[in-house]
Amino acid sequence: EPEVTQTPSHQVTQMGQEVILRCVPISNHLYFYWYRQILGQKVEFLVSFYNNEISEKSEIFDDQFSVERPDGSNFTLKIRSTKLEDSAMYFCASRPTSGGADTQYFGPGTRLTVL
Amino acid sequence: AQSVTQLGSHVSVSEGALVLLRCNYSSSVPPYLFWYVQYPNQGLQLLLKYTTGATLVKGINGFEAEFKKSETSFHLTKPSAHMSDAAEYFCAVSNTGANSKLTFGKGITLSVRP
Repeated sequence: EPEVTQTPSHQVTQMGQEVILRCVPISNHLYFYWYRQILGQKVEFLVSFYNNEISEKSEIFDDQFSVERPDGSNFTLKIRSTKLEDSAMYFCASRPTSGGADTQYFGPGTRLTVL
Repeated sequence: AQSVTQLGSHVSVSEGALVLLRCNYSSSVPPYLFWYVQYPNQGLQLLLKYTTGATLVKGINGFEAEFKKSETSFHLTKPSAHMSDAAEYFCAVSNTGANSKLTFGKGITLSVRP
């Protein structure tokens, strides 16, 4: 069964450094998402992406964040200058079509630790 | 704006006992409702969803949930817990538009005692 994959599973970085989190969505899916979960808190929406552009972004998704689909298979989340409060589990998700009824398929997550 | 409330952070049941995980939502438009499960070191997996039609929906692993509009609830149940059900469970809501994001509750950890 196709699945969403994410790399790395765990990333440790120093405050102020740039990190890139990578995701490979399911191959025929068209909509892509990033969510994050700070330890002990809710899973929060960051950004959605369709047709090579951002569809929607949350207040969390400020100028330090960016997303890209560089090669038609990977979907990346870049954090330019990490802060301590960026430490969280980051989940990538994809969906085949539009419409809120469609299931979003999640990857296993990348745990980001900012020191 | 939409929101989801999952009261409590941890539920413990005995093997074979009823599982009841509560979820209440707030939405200004008819919502789509989802339950996801996360096993250790794995991603979020869809258990079941309500979109339209029958308000009692059945999912994988014997779970079911009932959409009650009057109570704005979507509680998850399973008649008989199994050890393998131990996991974290998330209730989520989305609207009906394209690009619909999921709004999650904070999740509930289910423990199953032998």
